[in-house]
Amino acid sequence: EADIYQTPRYLVIGTGKKITLECSQTMGHDKMYWYQQDPGMELHLIHYSYGVNSTEKGDLSSESTVSRIRTEHFPLTLESARPSHTSQYLCASSTRGQSKGETQYFGPGTRLLVL
Amino acid sequence: RKEVEQDPGPFNVPEGATVAFNCTYSNSASQSFFWYRQDCRKEPKLLMSVYSSGNEDGRFTAQLNRASQYISLLIRDSKLSDSATYLCVVGAGRFGAGTRLTVKP
Repeated sequence: EADIYQTPRYLVIGTGKKITLECSQTMGHDKMYWYQQDPGMELHLIHYSYGVNSTEKGDLSSESTVSRIRTEHFPLTLESARPSHTSQYLCASSTRGQSKGETQYFGPGTRLLVL
Repeated sequence: RKEVEQDPGPFNVPEGATVAFNCTYSNSASQSFFWYRQDCRKEPKLLMSVYSSGNEDGRFTAQLNRASQYISLLIRDSKLSDSATYLCVVGAGRFGAGTRLTVKP
């Protein structure tokens, strides 16, 4: 089992609120990722980090921001939530190993509903 | 063209059938390849890595064809519990859209 955690698991919030989705991993992985996935649809990479103080935008344009101050922590923030942000957000981490390459381990996800 | 492309399916097969999925990728410099499984409303979980020489894990066989830039997953003797969406991953963070498999009694 992967040691990667996300909180909250479910969040219902009103339009305009600021929210932070938490993601932590205890595996010492240097790389971390945020994906957005609508039900039954594909994963879209929205942010990633290759280490402390490194953050990059992914393929899907997102109004969210991320920070990586500590190796184990990679929070995602929405400054002003909108109904279009309703989705599932999945956090993942990976490290380069000789036998497993860039295997990513996923957290359980946060289901966000913006009213 | 997407970096990683998969046939979305769905594949509906009877128990005991053999089923194969393909996944093509566009970046010829890619070095790592994986198959993940995602159950409904759950997070993706690693099924198996794909090695250049091909590899097998029980009923599952993965192959890589660098010349044609595709990877494949073969499932033998399908079980009801194999029903899921199978995602191919190329490099870090490049997921295919997934192929949905339903195994029926």
